[in-house]
Amino acid sequence: QSVLTQPPSASGTPGQRVTISCSGSSSNIGSNYVCWYQQLPGTAPKLLIYRNNQRPSGVPDRFSGSKSGTSASLAISGLRSEDEADYYCAAWDDSLSGSVVFGGGTKLTVL
Amino acid sequence: EVQLVESGGGLVQPGGSLRLSCAVSGFTFRFYWMHWVRQAPGKGLVWVSRISGDGSSTSYADSVKGRFTMSRDNAKNTVYLQMNTLRAEDTAVYYCARDYGHLGEIDYWGQGTLVTVSS
Repeated sequence: QSVLTQPPSASGTPGQRVTISCSGSSSNIGSNYVCWYQQLPGTAPKLLIYRNNQRPSGVPDRFSGSKSGTSASLAISGLRSEDEADYYCAAWDDSLSGSVVFGGGTKLTVL
Repeated sequence: EVQLVESGGGLVQPGGSLRLSCAVSGFTFRFYWMHWVRQAPGKGLVWVSRISGDGSSTSYADSVKGRFTMSRDNAKNTVYLQMNTLRAEDTAVYYCARDYGHLGEIDYWGQGTLVTVSS
């Protein structure tokens, strides 16, 4: 059971816009930055979004992030076949001695 | 170019020990907090531990507290994870990762090393 809640799956057709949600609480998303990661099959995760809505250099502007209260979202516009991957949200959690908490991951299928 | 390369994974019996290493390059190592994150086969990402840039501060997930120890050698640009009293549920790919700030904003990941705990 992950601390952050994501839908297990999402899908879309090429060119569509897809949104993946991430729900947390006041001790994590509500008070800290959210990151999003993309994990292609058999590879390490890759940073897509940091500080809620910032894109590292090299990440296409088709990917965008937002945060409101204790929830965050990742939007992918102009969906492409190479976007088919697992997506994870993450945030620092202030409870106890602190830890990084992840969502359970969302498998995105491009139909 | 930032690079993180893990090593030391393998097959170990329940109750056994293993030490993972992560050699880094391409950035000033001592300035950055580092993490270990694991992923069991077919499962999601789970945070394991983190260490401060000077090595003076560490923290661990409850599931590994008292069994795992994270350390670093800034002269060798290497971070370690000593894993003792291993259990079957510790079987996972272990990733070494760099923190952009100090509160779990992981920006770079290694390729991972597989640890299998089985008799």
